[in-house]
Amino acid sequence: DVKVTQSSRYLVKRTGEKVFLECVQDMDHENMFWYRQDPGLGLRLIYFSYDVKMKEKGDIPEGYSVSREKKERFSLILESASTNQTSMYLCASSLGTGVATFGSGTRLTVV
Amino acid sequence: KNEVEQSPQNLTAQEEEFITINCSYSVGISALHWLQQHPGGGIVSLFMLSSGKKKHGRLIATINIQEKHSSLHITASHPRDSAVYICAVRSATGNQFYFGTGTSLTVIP
Repeated sequence: DVKVTQSSRYLVKRTGEKVFLECVQDMDHENMFWYRQDPGLGLRLIYFSYDVKMKEKGDIPEGYSVSREKKERFSLILESASTNQTSMYLCASSLGTGVATFGSGTRLTVV
Repeated sequence: KNEVEQSPQNLTAQEEEFITINCSYSVGISALHWLQQHPGGGIVSLFMLSSGKKKHGRLIATINIQEKHSSLHITASHPRDSAVYICAVRSATGNQFYFGTGTSLTVIP
C-alpha cells in the first residue's frame, strides 16, 4: 500500500522555536507538496518540489523554508515559529499530472 | 480571489438522499481532483478527471471543461459519507494545485 508518511500527528512548540516537519513517500514520486489547512481558507500551498534539490514557492511561503535532499523526503522548516503558524500541515506527492496522495497531516500548535 | 469555488459550504442530508456538490474554477487546468477528508484530517483522492464522467460505487464525478465546472454526486447517501469534500485543480501550466475551501457534508440516519 503506497504511503505518504508525516513524522508527527500532533506537535506543540513554543514561539521562536525552529520546527521541522518531515514527510516521506515510498512511491518514487517526483513531485512533493506542503500545504496548510485553516478553517474557512481551505488548503493553501506553501512550497512544492518537482525534483531533488528543486523547490518552488507556493502561495504563502513567508516564514517557511523547505529541503529536499532525497527524492523520498520533503521537509518543511519553520525558522522561528509564531502563533499564526498554528495550523494543520499536509504533505502530498504525485507522479507527473497524476492523482496526489496525501499524508494524514500534522496538527501544529505554537504557544 | 479564489481560483476554485465550491458550493454549498455546508450540507446536511437525510440518509438515502441524492447529494450534489459543485465546483467552478477560473484557471486553465490539466486535471481536476475530488478529495475526501474525514474527521481527524486524513485525505483520500476520490477521482481525477480531465473530461467526461467517472463512477466509483455510489460516487459519480462529472466535468464540463467548456463551462469550467465539475460536480460530485453521491447516490443513496449514508452516514459514513459524512466528511469534507474538496475540489482541487491542477494548473495547465505547471505543478500548482488550487483548492476549494471544501464542502462539509453531514448525513443523518
